[in-house]
Amino acid sequence: DIVMTQTPGSSSVTVGQPASISCRSSQGLVHSDGNTYLNWLQLRPGQPPRLLIYKISNRFSGVPDRFSGSGAGTDFTLKISRVEAEDVGVYYCMQATHFPLTFGGGTKVEIK
Amino acid sequence: EVQLVESGGGLVEPGRSLRLSCTASGFTFGDYSMTWFRQAPGKDLEWVGFIRNKIAGGTIDYAASVKGRFTISRDDSKSIVYLQMNSLKIEDTAVYYCTRDRIKMDYWGPGTLVTVSS
Repeated sequence: DIVMTQTPGSSSVTVGQPASISCRSSQGLVHSDGNTYLNWLQLRPGQPPRLLIYKISNRFSGVPDRFSGSGAGTDFTLKISRVEAEDVGVYYCMQATHFPLTFGGGTKVEIK
Repeated sequence: EVQLVESGGGLVEPGRSLRLSCTASGFTFGDYSMTWFRQAPGKDLEWVGFIRNKIAGGTIDYAASVKGRFTISRDDSKSIVYLQMNSLKIEDTAVYYCTRDRIKMDYWGPGTLVTVSS
């Protein structure tokens, strides 16, 4: 199985400041069709998971542009340019290139 | 508006069965694969399995932890995907989510809680 390693495990951020989450996969995530199926999800307390970013860097509909994704190969990053109070939650990277689909261990974002 | 709503969760004894349903609306259900995930208390998200749409063959893949015990099926006429869970174990206790698609997972239901306990 592909192991997804996320860092940091938690992050305390001042409102208006940036945050960055790293995700590293144990194998490359390029699918045979040429796409890299690396997604980022947000879990806010009491709510279901929400797709933020798909295929490394594509922002899903309705996601604020302060969220951005980047990376290639085995190293990927989610950045929040200016954290807002509503961004509190746990963020997960997940890969959908290889079976079984696997997740990172999550990064808990809190407001300082 | 795309909506997914899971139902059928509850308290069940180890070894018993439970069937979850995920009712979809707001899109052409038959055009999409559908995926099940779960999240146990205090644990990370876990992929359970998915079922492809009929054009893609309607085939199904499962996580090793549930293979042979869980069965995913779909009724395109009702826009419902099912998760039949047999021989339930305590470690199957989790909130179960259905999502649209098997790669993008763009829409998620609110989840349904399954508690396996004696």
